Amino acid sequence: DAKTTQPPSMDCAEGRAANLPCNHSTISGNEYVYWYRQIHSQGPQYIIHGLKNNETNEMASLIITEDRKSSTLILPHATLRDTAVYYCIVRPTLNAGNNRKLIWGLGTSLAVNP
Amino acid sequence: DSGVTQTPKHLITATGQRVTLRCSPRSGDLSVYWYQQSLDQGLQFLIQYYNGEERAKGNILERFSAQQFPDLHSELNLSSLELGDSALYFCASSVSQRASTDTQYFGPGTRLTVL
Repeated sequence: DAKTTQPPSMDCAEGRAANLPCNHSTISGNEYVYWYRQIHSQGPQYIIHGLKNNETNEMASLIITEDRKSSTLILPHATLRDTAVYYCIVRPTLNAGNNRKLIWGLGTSLAVNP
Repeated sequence: DSGVTQTPKHLITATGQRVTLRCSPRSGDLSVYWYQQSLDQGLQFLIQYYNGEERAKGNILERFSAQQFPDLHSELNLSSLELGDSALYFCASSVSQRASTDTQYFGPGTRLTVL
């Protein structure tokens, strides 16, 4: 499974966009990029995932570079409740076999400031 | 609320003891995953069950075991507990492996403290 690299911490002003980067230079063609967040020891919360194309949902946007070696999670209007640790994970598609485990790094601790 | 439930919320026990953590997946989900998160650490995958059968194993100690029952709830058994086993234990569930995506939804966790 490919590994990811994220900055350990970031700050963002409330109401501004938060752009969280992730490097996954060893990602292979059959691996998705997943983003989760964890608010203060609660269970991780799914945010978004993508394979090649950019994705958007009600929570965030995911921008994946053309070579797929990095991605950026965008929270368009960060609020204080978005303060959390954000994890970027890569994992194989279902067709890649039965390995569905996720390898988690330490993530990025995002602090949204008033 | 993810729809995944875990009990108990908190557990305090002594070294050498055995405990059982319980997880009920979201309605319709067939896969259950167990993770351990020690203080200020990332999540460590322990084990996955799908429809009652073990499907993947991670960094699970021999002192730990799990099972998934016919009603799809799962239990994680931790025995001969050591101080280092103190951690948050999360359960996650996902839909059938035949779905085009396999997003995992996490429960609120069980905080285990070994004294």
